[in-house]
Amino acid sequence: EIVLTQSPATLSLSPGERATLSCRASQSVSRYLAWYQHKLGQAPRLLIYDASKRATGIPARISGSGSGTDFTLTISSLEPEDFAVYYCQQRSDWPLTFGGGTQVEIK
Amino acid sequence: QVQLQESGPGLVKPSETLSLTCTVSGASISSYYWTWIRQPPGKGLEWIGYVYHVGSPNYNPSLKSRVTMSVDTSRNEFSLKVTSVNAADTAVYYCARVGDYYGPWSYSPDLPFDHWGQGIPVTVSS
Repeated sequence: EIVLTQSPATLSLSPGERATLSCRASQSVSRYLAWYQHKLGQAPRLLIYDASKRATGIPARISGSGSGTDFTLTISSLEPEDFAVYYCQQRSDWPLTFGGGTQVEIK
Repeated sequence: QVQLQESGPGLVKPSETLSLTCTVSGASISSYYWTWIRQPPGKGLEWIGYVYHVGSPNYNPSLKSRVTMSVDTSRNEFSLKVTSVNAADTAVYYCARVGDYYGPWSYSPDLPFDHWGQGIPVTVSS
């Protein structure tokens, strides 16, 4: 199965700062990568699909890039509601797999 | 709006069967693929499988021998059964909808999940 490795595990930043999250795949997933935001006790929320397409209602400060094995989720200026755990997920091959997550915490 | 709600027992004994239901409102169960995902304590997300109202479900090979998914169109809900559970099956279980991003001719079960339930914690313990 395709293994997704996210880094860093934890990102400590202040509101207004730029967040850059990485997801690396064990083999090429083309552009078939999604990003989700997850807050404790809530349903995960889809942010980005197919590497760079924003899901419905996702603000422009959140963007995705990459292809092949290396992907990045960027939040250009952190808002208070952006502090959460972020997961990447590939749909290039079965079984579908997720990365281990990056927690974005308030510094 | 689309809402998904998981239900079922929060405690299951080892070797028994875990049974969960996901009730869908705001969308027809017959129009989409539906999936189950779980998150063990302190770990990441694990895709369990998907189901459609027709055809065969597709399961993660790591669980395939113990998992059954089905759809009840009359109730607009779908379900998950995991047999012979052990402590490693302790997790928060989520149901989710496979989203339709490119229109009906390009809809496929591998697309990302656009609506999720809140999750239901299940503990396997005697």
